Amino acid sequence: DQQVKQNSPSLSVQEGRISILNCDYTNSMFDYFLWYKKYPAEGPTFLISISSIKDKNEDGRFTVFLNKSAKHLSLHIVPSQPGDSAVYFCAASALGNQFYFGTGTSLTVIP
Amino acid sequence: NAGVMQNPRHLVRRRGQEARLRCSPMKGHSHVYWYRQLPEEGLKFMVYLQKENIIDESGMPKERFSAEFPKEGPSILRIQQVVRGDSAAYFCASSPSTGGAVGYTFGSGTRLTVV
Repeated sequence: DQQVKQNSPSLSVQEGRISILNCDYTNSMFDYFLWYKKYPAEGPTFLISISSIKDKNEDGRFTVFLNKSAKHLSLHIVPSQPGDSAVYFCAASALGNQFYFGTGTSLTVIP
Repeated sequence: NAGVMQNPRHLVRRRGQEARLRCSPMKGHSHVYWYRQLPEEGLKFMVYLQKENIIDESGMPKERFSAEFPKEGPSILRIQQVVRGDSAAYFCASSPSTGGAVGYTFGSGTRLTVV
């Protein structure tokens, strides 16, 4: 039972444009959400997070949006850079318990 | 300031052998999590441990898999009598508390190949 879903396995974007990565979840108890970035042969690295009391969190070129009613979150990267090419995982947890991860979206930023 | 250390990076085992995967959490982190990534899939939670205690093992297969995090030394994920389907990347993560504001810090993973 996949509680966190990333329905787009891959995304290609031109350098300088916006990348939008989407994530849906099913568990209404989830109250904390994170995005991780993963390069090949490396472990995931934390990128940005948002708690359920907010609907937006921004950190430099990265912004995460949360729509609780739709159980949807998205990661916006503006402007996209070639170094952003990686697999992005969204993750969610309830009450500080273990995180559930999506299947990932592979982003390719084309120079 | 070493991060989460996993070893070995690559492990090849024949069917029926045992695999031992080690994870040393970041300094000051007392919570350890093991995740498995099968080919073409996302990260699947396996087990959550604190020192000497298993807190949540709901993601662990019922047989052949075990985990420990002793008072001294690294956390160990042990797979007995490995089968081809165990081939995957196994990631360990640690946190100072229950995830929260900074989530986890992940190691680079151990890639297990069963031949």
